[in-house]
Amino acid sequence: TQLLEQSPQFLSIQEGENLTVYCNSSSVFSSLQWYRQEPGEGPVLLVTVVTGGEVKKLKRLTFQFGDARKDSSLHITAAQPGDTGLYLCASKTRDSNYQLIWGAGTKLIIKP
Amino acid sequence: NAGVTQTPKFRVLKTGQSMTLLCAQDMNHEYMYWYRQDPGMGLRLIHYSVGEGTTAKGEVPDGYNVSRLKKQNFLLGLESAAPSQTSVYFCASSKAPSSVGGYFGPGTRLTVT
Repeated sequence: TQLLEQSPQFLSIQEGENLTVYCNSSSVFSSLQWYRQEPGEGPVLLVTVVTGGEVKKLKRLTFQFGDARKDSSLHITAAQPGDTGLYLCASKTRDSNYQLIWGAGTKLIIKP
Repeated sequence: NAGVTQTPKFRVLKTGQSMTLLCAQDMNHEYMYWYRQDPGMGLRLIHYSVGEGTTAKGEVPDGYNVSRLKKQNFLLGLESAAPSQTSVYFCASSKAPSSVGGYFGPGTRLTVT
C-alpha cells in the first residue's frame, strides 16, 4: 500500500524565517499535488509536479520533486502570518485514475 | 460564481439517525468526490462520480450512500449514523480525474453522539 508521510507534523516559527516541509513515499509518484488548508475551509491546490527533478515557484514558495519521484519538498522563504495553515500533499494511486492518497499534513504556524 | 458549496455547515446527530449532505458546483465539472477528514489522518475518499447518473466506491464507502441525479449536485447520505462517522466531510469537483485542478467545498462538521 502506498503511503505518503509528511514531516514535520507541526511547525511553529517566527515571521521572516525560512522553512522546509517534506512529503515522502515508499513508492514512485506519478504526480504530486500540494495543497494549503486554512481552518474551517477546504484544501486549495497550490501546485502539481510531474517530472522528476522539477522545481516550481509560487511567489515565496518553492516546490521540488525528487529525481526518483519518491519525495517532494516545499520551501517557504521569509514566512509571513498569511502562510499559516495545514499543508497537504496528495498523489494518484496506482490502482485508480480517480483516487488520490493524502498525507496527514504539516500544520504550520507563523507568529508575527 | 460560487464554486463548490456544501450544506449544512454543522450538524449533530444521535446514533441511528439519518441525514443527507448536499454538494453543489457551478463550474460544469464532470467529476465530483466526497472525502472525510479526521485528525492526524489524510483525507479519505468515500465515494466519487465521473458524471451525471454515475457513482463509484472510494476507499471508505461503508455506511454511506451517494447519488448524482444532476450534474451539478452530489449527495452523500448516512442511513444510520454511528459515532465512527464523526468527522469533517468535504466535497470536491474537477474537470479531470483524481481531483487534478479540483476545487473543494468549505466542509461539513458532523458529530454523532
